[in-house]
Amino acid sequence: AQSVTQLGSHVSVSEGALVLLRCNYSSSVPPYLFWYVQYPNQGLQLLLKYTTGATLVKGINGFEAEFKKSETSFHLTKPSAHMSDAAEYFCAVTSNRDDKIIFGKGTRLHILP
Amino acid sequence: ETGVTQSPTHLIKTRGQQVTLRCSSQSGHNTVSWYQQALGQGPQFIFQYYREEENGRGNFPPRFSGLQFPNYSSELNVNALELDDSALYLCASSFVAGNTEAFFGQGTRLTVV
Repeated sequence: AQSVTQLGSHVSVSEGALVLLRCNYSSSVPPYLFWYVQYPNQGLQLLLKYTTGATLVKGINGFEAEFKKSETSFHLTKPSAHMSDAAEYFCAVTSNRDDKIIFGKGTRLHILP
Repeated sequence: ETGVTQSPTHLIKTRGQQVTLRCSSQSGHNTVSWYQQALGQGPQFIFQYYREEENGRGNFPPRFSGLQFPNYSSELNVNALELDDSALYLCASSFVAGNTEAFFGQGTRLTVV
């Protein structure tokens, strides 16, 4: 079975500060890991994904995440927050054997002026 | 820009009624998955269709059913609506069933009163 735990349902950072959203996963098979962003009243947009290969993954809008197997983590970072980054962020896991994506409960990112 | 379109965008139904939600998948995609996102929660997998056959199902009762058509568009049907069915319903399409390139639509907001 697979699962995802996102630490912190709400995170606030100042504009220009580092963004760090935490995600830990559980998987009995090699995982595929994703971060999605959801703006109010909209669907999900893929920020980045890890399937195989390089463990540091770069995504859109300056975000990146590092797959750490030893820590079962896939934390999302961005060096400098922008007001437009305010949204809900979902970490998710699947595998090449699965039909479904398992999502975390989400972290709402607030950007303070 | 995602090529996945869902209709309608908003819908209000009365408890006990039936509803049909529609999804047009991205061009070239043959797999459609449906997710339910309750308020404040991450999306939950309902089921997936691959080449017009159900390819996996989450923990949802049989009153949630679906179809996929030869053009790979899809419908989600919910019978005997309950208040707890109020949620954002998301459709995702991908080329194969592995979910590594799933693109989400904007969702249908269903309110059951």
